[in-house]
Amino acid sequence: QTVVTQEPSLTVSPGGTVTLTCASSTGAVTSGYYPNWFQQKPGQAPRALIYSTSNRHSWTPARFSGSLLGDKAALTLSGVQPDDEADYYCLLYNRNTWVFGEGTKLTVL
Amino acid sequence: EVQLVESGGGLVQPGGSLRLSCVSSGFSFPNSWMIWVRQAPGKGLEWVANINKDGSEEYYVDSVKGRFTISRDNAENSLFLQMNSLRADDTAVYYCAKGRGAEIWGQGTMVTVSS
Repeated sequence: QTVVTQEPSLTVSPGGTVTLTCASSTGAVTSGYYPNWFQQKPGQAPRALIYSTSNRHSWTPARFSGSLLGDKAALTLSGVQPDDEADYYCLLYNRNTWVFGEGTKLTVL
Repeated sequence: EVQLVESGGGLVQPGGSLRLSCVSSGFSFPNSWMIWVRQAPGKGLEWVANINKDGSEEYYVDSVKGRFTISRDNAENSLFLQMNSLRADDTAVYYCAKGRGAEIWGQGTMVTVSS
């Protein structure tokens, strides 16, 4: 069974930049895994941010960007705001199934 | 406005069954893949199952294969999850979401499996 690994927690200062990564136990993450990224705040449903590696949804602020970084998918937040404090999950496609990453708790401090 | 509303959750004993529903509005449901995702208390997200536009293809996470069945009624813009042989580790909030990439989510319905 595929395991998708993310940093358990990260801390960033307001106005700073932070990169979250998403690795697969099956090998390098490529565009063929169609990486998606989601944000979830306490007590709320997740909200989609990025699809197919680097595409923002219409509601996604421009400070969120997706990419491939080495053998991982990455989500970079630039000009971080206090409201960005949340859990972030990646989602990878593999052979007709999808697997979520374990999630990264982002603290803005 | 695009909206998904789940229902059908509740308390059920181990070995029991439950059927979840998800009613959609604001988009073309028959033209959308749909998925179910769950989140156990205090835990991360887990993809459970998805179904293609006409219901002819279904895919499941290994832990629910043979116990859960995803289905849809395009005439009623509705998605379903039939859950049988429920176990304690099925306890979670169950979300339905639009699209293979889950771009729109409902608010979820809680399923508790306990004696």
